[in-house]
Amino acid sequence: AQKVTQAQTEISVVEKEDVTLDCVYETRDTTYYLFWYKQPPSGELVFLIRRNSFDEQNEISGRYSWNFQKSTSSFNFTITASQVVDSAVYFCALSGIFWDNQGGKLIFGQGTELSVKP
Amino acid sequence: DTGVSQDPRHKITKRGQNVTFRCDPISEHNRLYWYRQTLGQGPEFLTYFQNEAQLEKSRLLSDRFSAERPKGSFSTLEIQRTEQGDSAMYLCASSLGGGRGEAFFGQGTRLTVV
Repeated sequence: AQKVTQAQTEISVVEKEDVTLDCVYETRDTTYYLFWYKQPPSGELVFLIRRNSFDEQNEISGRYSWNFQKSTSSFNFTITASQVVDSAVYFCALSGIFWDNQGGKLIFGQGTELSVKP
Repeated sequence: DTGVSQDPRHKITKRGQNVTFRCDPISEHNRLYWYRQTLGQGPEFLTYFQNEAQLEKSRLLSDRFSAERPKGSFSTLEIQRTEQGDSAMYLCASSLGGGRGEAFFGQGTRLTVV
C-alpha cells in the first residue's frame, strides 16, 4: 500500500526564519514520483515540485529547497527566509509512474499548516 | 484563463437531493481526476479518466456517485441522494498522460449538505 505521512500538523514561525516541512512515504513501487503542493486560503492546490525516484539530487528554487533521501523514504521541504505570503497548507504527495493505465493518481499526506507571522 | 475550472464554486443542498458538478480541464490534457477533501485532511482520490475512459474508481466512490467525461473533454460528477457525510470540497485536476506532466488543480466545489 502507498502512504504519505506529514507528522507536523501545524508550524508557526516568525518572518525570515527558515522552516522545514517533513514528509515520509511508503511504497512498494520501485519507480514513483513525489510532489509538493501548496494550498493557500483560496483553496486551489498549487504545484511546487515533482521529483522522480531515479533522481536523488537535491533541488533549489529561489527560497525553496527539497531534500530527497530514498534510504529514509523522506522528501523534506525547506523554505529559507520565510515570508508572510508563504502561509498556507502544504501537502506532500506520492504517485505511481504515469506511463501505464494505473499510474498518475496522487496519494496525499494530511498536510502541514504553515503560519508565518510578521 | 487556461487553467482547470470548476463550477459551481459553492453548493448548498438539502439531504436527499441530487447534485452535479462540472470540471473543464486544461484543453490539451488527456487525464482528468476527481478528488475529495474534507476539513483538515489531504485530498483523497475518487476516480480518473484517460480521455473518455474511466480507468479507476476508488472504493470511496459509492453507488450514489457517478462521473462521466463525454468525448474526453469536460467531466461531470453527480452525487445522488446526498448525505451529510458528502459535505466536502470536490477537486478536479488534469494532466498530460504518459509521464509528461504534473497534475494541475481547479479551485474546487465546496458542497454543504444540510
